[in-house]
Amino acid sequence: AQTVTQSQPEMSVQEAETVTLSCTYDTSESDYYLFWYKQPPSRQMILVIRQEAYKQQNATENRFSVNFQKAAKSFSLKISDSQLGDAAMYFCAYDRGSTLGRLYFGRGTQLTVWP
Amino acid sequence: DTAVSQTPKYLVTQMGNDKSIKCEQNLGHDTMYWYKQDSKKFLKIMFSYNNKELIINETVPNRFSPKSPDKAHLNLHINSLELGDSAVYFCASSQELNTEAFFGQGTRLTVV
Repeated sequence: AQTVTQSQPEMSVQEAETVTLSCTYDTSESDYYLFWYKQPPSRQMILVIRQEAYKQQNATENRFSVNFQKAAKSFSLKISDSQLGDAAMYFCAYDRGSTLGRLYFGRGTQLTVWP
Repeated sequence: DTAVSQTPKYLVTQMGNDKSIKCEQNLGHDTMYWYKQDSKKFLKIMFSYNNKELIINETVPNRFSPKSPDKAHLNLHINSLELGDSAVYFCASSQELNTEAFFGQGTRLTVV
């Protein structure tokens, strides 16, 4: 069974600083997808970034980037130049990559951004 | 235009009642899902539908019955509601070959 572990229930960062959220996963598959979703207080689930396992290059989206270590089964999210609007619950998720996607989520990391 | 919309956003009901949550997506996606987020914010898949056919039923009680009248809609009907059903329910959709899921805004169900 696929499991996703986020070992940091809570993290905090000063505005404009950089923070890294950790995620590890367990799988026997070689082809899969990894995601980071953001859930602000509004409750909406917002896709932050995605990574295909077959791609060696780490995905980036503006201030958000990942450190994907396939052998270590690690997928951390780095947020640069943190902004107050980044405060949210962040979920790491795994998808087996079949034609019928199904996300397995970690338990989330609550990020607080201090002014 | 909202890509994945759910109604209602909030639902408060008594134990034993039957209720439905509606979901519609205008993205043209083939696959739709229902996820449940518990009080500790853990998200777990309940159902997956592809082209109106049930693909995944993740050990969900029979009191929960999804219905997909067409590819764009996936409704969730819950019979004999229990206190433990209180949660936020998310509808989501994805294209068959693109596993990126788009979520609705969630429905907070409170059973009293």
